[in-house]
Amino acid sequence: GQNIDQPTEMTATEGAIVQINCTYQTSGFNGLFWYQQHAGEAPTFLSYNVLDGLEEKGRFSSFLSRSKGYSYLLLKELQMKDSASYLCAVNDYKLSFGAGTTVTVRA
Amino acid sequence: DVKVTQSSRYLVKRTGEKVFLECVQDMDHENMFWYRQDPGLGLRLIYFSYDVKMKEKGDIPEGYSVSREKKERFSLILESASTNQTSMYLCASRTYQGADGYTFGSGTRLTVV
Repeated sequence: GQNIDQPTEMTATEGAIVQINCTYQTSGFNGLFWYQQHAGEAPTFLSYNVLDGLEEKGRFSSFLSRSKGYSYLLLKELQMKDSASYLCAVNDYKLSFGAGTTVTVRA
Repeated sequence: DVKVTQSSRYLVKRTGEKVFLECVQDMDHENMFWYRQDPGLGLRLIYFSYDVKMKEKGDIPEGYSVSREKKERFSLILESASTNQTSMYLCASRTYQGADGYTFGSGTRLTVV
């Protein structure tokens, strides 16, 4: 079975940093995705980690530890447009998702 | 860019109706997926397909069926719609090659009354 956990909600101030954690216990693992989803829209790709370590892409970074079943998404220099849901998904020939973390950025 | 198109953005159907949700992708992807998304539950996999005429059950297949007669088209069928199938339905596709990128359609918000 698949068990993927992430916090339900997080609130942060514009310009701040927020870290969204994701822990997983899955029957198979080929990599871990992070997606961003604005209300009423489709998920859009942010990052994909296959190997342990940190991947940096502009203001967003993603970290993976396969031995610990743990990942995080780091959002730096938060902007109002970053208010969205962030979805952690494990790739095992199909995607299994966590319930998503709603991030609210306040001025 | 890969495009995944879902035929309807919003649908309202009556209980007991047979409902077809269509999804078309334009990049010759082998794999296609149907998810539903509900508040607090995230995206849950209904069915997926690895190739034409092939289908596999996902985590919540009950009350649904699928059809993949052509590589580019993957249809989700609600044999007899019920109110608990009111949801956002998302189609996705991906190729075996490359970085395992999945591309999602814009979603169909189905309301069953």
